[in-house]
Amino acid sequence: DIQMTQSPSSLSASVGDRVTITCQASQDITNYLNWFQQKPGEAPKFLIYDASNLETGVPSRFSGNGSGTDFTFTISSLQPEDIATYYCQQYDDLPYTFGQGTKLEVK
Amino acid sequence: EVQVVESGGGLVKPGGSLRLSCAASGFNISTFIMNWVRQSPGRGLEWVSSISDNSHHIYYADSVKGRFTISRDNAKNSLYLQMDSLRAEDTAVYYCARDLTSGWDGGNYWGQGTLVTVSS
Repeated sequence: DIQMTQSPSSLSASVGDRVTITCQASQDITNYLNWFQQKPGEAPKFLIYDASNLETGVPSRFSGNGSGTDFTFTISSLQPEDIATYYCQQYDDLPYTFGQGTKLEVK
Repeated sequence: EVQVVESGGGLVKPGGSLRLSCAASGFNISTFIMNWVRQSPGRGLEWVSSISDNSHHIYYADSVKGRFTISRDNAKNSLYLQMDSLRAEDTAVYYCARDLTSGWDGGNYWGQGTLVTVSS
């Protein structure tokens, strides 16, 4: 199975800050990577596919980058409504696997 | 609007069975791969199973293989998960997820989930 390692596991930032989360795959997954946002009590919400393509309606302050084994997810200017846990997921091969999540908090 | 709604969760004893359903609206499931994913505090997010549009290709996580059966009824626009020989470690919120395109995209659009609790 492909292992997905996210860092950091938690992050505290201020409104307006630039925030970056990294996700590393245990083998080359090309660009077959999704990013999800999960708020407390809610289902994960799909944000980015193919590592860098924004889902329709997702604010442009969110972005993704990377290919191969190393990927990043960035919020250019943190907003209060962005407080959530973020997950990466590879879909290069079954079983699909997820990172352990990055919990984002506001300072 | 793409929407999937799961149902059928509940409390079941170890060794018992449960059948989850996922009703889709706003799109025709016949052209999409559909998935089940679960989430628990101990195991995080875990892919469970996927089924192709025509049901010819079906895949399971090793942890559920031989115990769970995924199926779909395109005429009813619905997806199912039959769960047998349930174990305590199957306790989780189960999500139905539609792929983004007609390809194998990992499961992009999720429902709100249904809670399955396996306990005596």
